[in-house]
Amino acid sequence: SAVISQKPSRDICQRGTSLTIQCQVDSQVTMMFWYRQQPGQSLTLIATANQGSEATYESGFVIDKFPISRPNLTFSTLTVSNMSPEDSSIYLCSVVPLDRDAAYGYTFGSGTRLTVV
Amino acid sequence: TQLLEQSPQFLSIQEGENLTVYCNSSSVFSSLQWYRQEPGEGPVLLVTVVTGGEVKKLKRLTFQFGDARKDSSLHITAAQPGDTGLYLCAGAGDSNYQLIWGAGTKLIIKP
Repeated sequence: SAVISQKPSRDICQRGTSLTIQCQVDSQVTMMFWYRQQPGQSLTLIATANQGSEATYESGFVIDKFPISRPNLTFSTLTVSNMSPEDSSIYLCSVVPLDRDAAYGYTFGSGTRLTVV
Repeated sequence: TQLLEQSPQFLSIQEGENLTVYCNSSSVFSSLQWYRQEPGEGPVLLVTVVTGGEVKKLKRLTFQFGDARKDSSLHITAAQPGDTGLYLCAGAGDSNYQLIWGAGTKLIIKP
């Protein structure tokens, strides 16, 4: 299955600044997703990263706050802009490999634990 | 809107005991996935069930998909401290590319 390298693993940031999270996959993938998770809780989908086009955002998430890039089939970035303490969370990248139907499961990165002070 | 209710949300038991986690919905899913997540890591896929009535076993873990494909359960026999973690169920619904997530079950197995 695909192996995901997500960086940074954690960061502490000042409010008002921005952080870019990188997701690098060792093989080409069809779908890439960005999730947010409070520790010990379930996942909330932020957006689907589309290769070569604008990301598709879920309700409550906007491009100005969470710009996403996906320049190719193996890489994506999520930027958390103009951060506030409410953005403190775990951010996760997940993918569906080219050789797998999404219905059969996703592969996740190890996450980025963000604390905004 | 599809919802997936997962219970219990928290469970703390002694090593050697059995337990069951449930995920229920009024909606039909094309598949139901179970993940386990440990602190500092992303969720790891344990199993996917696709066929109504399907039962899959993974060592001491038994997964079942309801006949109507609206519910699923995870049963752990003789739980061990290594089973400790956050268990998440996720259903593939109208769009296979977007999952409906349960609230998660935080499981602690005490030695």
